[in-house]
Amino acid sequence: DQQVKQNSPSLSVQEGRISILNCDYTNSMFDYFLWYKKYPAEGPTFLISISSIKDKNEDGRFTVFLNKSAKHLSLHIVPSQPGDSAVYFCAASASGAAGNKLTFGGGTRVLVKP
Amino acid sequence: DTAVSQTPKYLVTQMGNDKSIKCEQNLGHDTMYWYKQDSKKFLKIMFSYNNKELIINETVPNRFSPKSPDKAHLNLHINSLELGDSAVYFCASSLLGVTYTDTQYFGPGTRLTVL
Repeated sequence: DQQVKQNSPSLSVQEGRISILNCDYTNSMFDYFLWYKKYPAEGPTFLISISSIKDKNEDGRFTVFLNKSAKHLSLHIVPSQPGDSAVYFCAASASGAAGNKLTFGGGTRVLVKP
Repeated sequence: DTAVSQTPKYLVTQMGNDKSIKCEQNLGHDTMYWYKQDSKKFLKIMFSYNNKELIINETVPNRFSPKSPDKAHLNLHINSLELGDSAVYFCASSLLGVTYTDTQYFGPGTRLTVL
């Protein structure tokens, strides 16, 4: 029972264009959402996060949008650069849960073509 | 000066053996975690320790036993290895770990292959 889903396993985009990654969740207790980026043979690195009290958070070229009613969030990368080629994981946590437990989606592989 | 390090990076072993994976963080964080990335690429939490105290213990076979000698180290010991234990295991740490917004920093992973 996957509570966080990334339905697009891969995405290919031209350099300079926008990359849009999507994530859906089913657990209504989730109230904090994160995106992690992962290069091959490395661990995931934190990219950006958003609390459920917001619907948008921006950090440079990266913007995360949250639609609570649809239980959907997306990550926009503008403009996309070749160095953005990686696997992106969506993750969620709940304030009411014990500890700092992250539930991850299955990842979306992004390829940015020069 | 790696923040979260794991050893070994690769581990190939026979079914039935016992093995350990070590994790160390030099960030001064209070909480450490173990995640398993299975063949479908999902990262799933296994355990977390806060200042050497077990906080999260997901439904993991009791063949897996975490050990935290101090707050900078969290080792994972696996007894009687099975084929299904083959995966990439990631260690992570966070500053406090008791708040759900605390950023987790991951190690490079250990690829375990059970033959």
